[in-house]
Amino acid sequence: DADVTQTPRNRITKTGKRIMLECSQTKGHDRMYWYRQDPGLGLRLIYYSFDVKDINKGEISDGYSVSRQAQAKFSLSLESAIPNQTALYFCATSDFGGGVTDTQYFGPGTRLTVL
Amino acid sequence: AQTVTQSQPEMSVQEAETVTLSCTYDTSESDYYLFWYKQPPSRQMILVIRQEAYKQQNATENRFSVNFQKAAKSFSLKISDSQLGDAAMYFCALTSNYQLIWGAGTKLIIKP
Repeated sequence: DADVTQTPRNRITKTGKRIMLECSQTKGHDRMYWYRQDPGLGLRLIYYSFDVKDINKGEISDGYSVSRQAQAKFSLSLESAIPNQTALYFCATSDFGGGVTDTQYFGPGTRLTVL
Repeated sequence: AQTVTQSQPEMSVQEAETVTLSCTYDTSESDYYLFWYKQPPSRQMILVIRQEAYKQQNATENRFSVNFQKAAKSFSLKISDSQLGDAAMYFCALTSNYQLIWGAGTKLIIKP
């Protein structure tokens, strides 16, 4: 089984709908991240969490919210989806590596289309 | 601000040949890590290789190696004996304040 899983893998929704993307990990890592990827661009950080009680905004958090239900689960919500949120969304995890982030491991991605 | 630049949007190489992908970066941090990730058509983001900035020795992983030039802030990836399965987008990334900063990627095409 994969260490980092994301559900759903693909989703098509309409403008104004509320959408939740889920991420689970079995790596035992404390840190979890949500990124989005747009064509021709690298990944951009939406939110990150260093533990269940520590959640932080990333570069592009507007229009998104997150919930860290447990060490292994980190969900991303789009409260009212809009077409420019159409993208590939990745969840990632990492272990604590001293003063610098350790290696991040990625889920398979969720392709979200907002019509 | 920390930045990562990949100046080659696309590269092609003949199967079994060697190819080098370029990456330059800018950071004011003294302690950081650099990464190369591969994203094949399956869209999975796969770690290829990682380099700690405090290590002078270049990292290697089988057919993949890096040329890390800290003073020049350069971090290139060399792929030897290219295989069809190496075809993918390759992203260079830098850690900064617990976050990964990404380049825009280089599409690698392998010619049979």
